[in-house]
Amino acid sequence: AQKVTQAQTEISVVEKEDVTLDCVYETRDTTYYLFWYKQPPSGELVFLIRRNSFDEQNEISGRYSWNFQKSTSSFNFTITASQVVDSAVYFCALRHGSGNTGKLIFGQGTTLQVKP
Amino acid sequence: NAGVTQTPKFQVLKTGQSMTLQCAQDMNHEYMSWYRQDPGMGLRLIHYSVGAGITDQGEVPNGYNVSRSTTEDFPLRLLSAAPSQTSVYFCASNSRTAKGDSSGNTIYFGEGSWLTVV
Repeated sequence: AQKVTQAQTEISVVEKEDVTLDCVYETRDTTYYLFWYKQPPSGELVFLIRRNSFDEQNEISGRYSWNFQKSTSSFNFTITASQVVDSAVYFCALRHGSGNTGKLIFGQGTTLQVKP
Repeated sequence: NAGVTQTPKFQVLKTGQSMTLQCAQDMNHEYMSWYRQDPGMGLRLIHYSVGAGITDQGEVPNGYNVSRSTTEDFPLRLLSAAPSQTSVYFCASNSRTAKGDSSGNTIYFGEGSWLTVV
């Protein structure tokens, strides 16, 4: 079965703290893609990153970084020096199998609140 | 630079009424899909399409119909609305990965449609 688990329902931090959002996935496929999306209070989904199963390099983009570990089936997302504008719901998602159909399996989402 | 456009953004329906959520994309994407978002459950796939004239069911298709007569449009129809269909609906599109390209591609989402069934 394909599944994505975001065990942290809500996280609250104070501005400038670092915060890590966990994502654990399950799939039997050897080829798959993992995504992170941000959903700010306005409601739209903002694409953050895509990673394929053959690329285990960690990635850093400004204050954002992602740690992909196939050995533990995890794709964790860290925000360094958090800011109030980072307050949002964050979703991890899995696209599995061959083809590029756009069929995603989402985790339940983690609500991040960054307090000033 | 419209991307994926959904209408309406907000809608209130009475139980039993029917309606259509519209979705259009101007990126010539082959693939389109509909998701619903419910609290604590993330987004779940309702229906998807891999091209004009081809549709298939996702995880939660009951109570919804789709059709894909053109590449650009992928409407979602609620045949007889029920309170359980109160949700936020997202349409998405993406292009078919070029043959030999293993990098995957970006899935573009519309801004969402908030539907309340009373």
